[in-house]
Amino acid sequence: GDSVTQMEGPVTLSEEAFLTINCTYTATGYPSLFWYVQYPGEGLQLLLKATKADDKGSNKGFEATYRKETTSFHLEKGSVQVSDSAVYFCALRFPMNRDDKIIFGKGTRLHILP
Amino acid sequence: NAGVTQTPKFRILKIGQSMTLQCTQDMNHNYMYWYRQDPGMGLKLIYYSVGAGITDKGEVPNGYNVSRSTTEDFPLRLELAAPSQTSVYFCASSSGTVHEQYFGPGTRLTVT
Repeated sequence: GDSVTQMEGPVTLSEEAFLTINCTYTATGYPSLFWYVQYPGEGLQLLLKATKADDKGSNKGFEATYRKETTSFHLEKGSVQVSDSAVYFCALRFPMNRDDKIIFGKGTRLHILP
Repeated sequence: NAGVTQTPKFRILKIGQSMTLQCTQDMNHNYMYWYRQDPGMGLKLIYYSVGAGITDKGEVPNGYNVSRSTTEDFPLRLELAAPSQTSVYFCASSSGTVHEQYFGPGTRLTVT
């Protein structure tokens, strides 16, 4: 079935380091892809999205490119800050999904050390 | 604009007790969802609704019930609480066109 696989955490980095969180998906069609972020004690919020192959989503210095050939949507940031410490979820949705359901990965916890 | 609100924020239940988790959204979204998030795990869909009067089961519906009498409200009912229902519960909504889901702040439930 359709699924999302993302790298296990926790990921611990020093401030200003380069970040990559890997995400791959399995799907029979052409889904829309998302990254959601969950800050401590809060609900999830959309970080960025891409709706078709080769699209790049970006927000708050984070980027991810929809790669159909490798079925991937890796999250990157050039210089992380302590405030980026959170749990990051990769997710997908199918365009013809009548009930608007989203399939979430298990999440990757990110710790940024000052 | 409050978005998605959930009450209560925290609750401790004894085994066998019942309670209702409240969820309200003020964005006029047709689609609403209930998820649970266990420690260190991702989200699992419990129930969802595509509009007032329509509900459907997600991955893990056992032990829960929902109703959707209005567009704004989507309460989740726990009957006969069990320790396995200890979790953080999130309500979310979406318009069905933009496809972004908006989440509430969550309810942390402990069953002892």
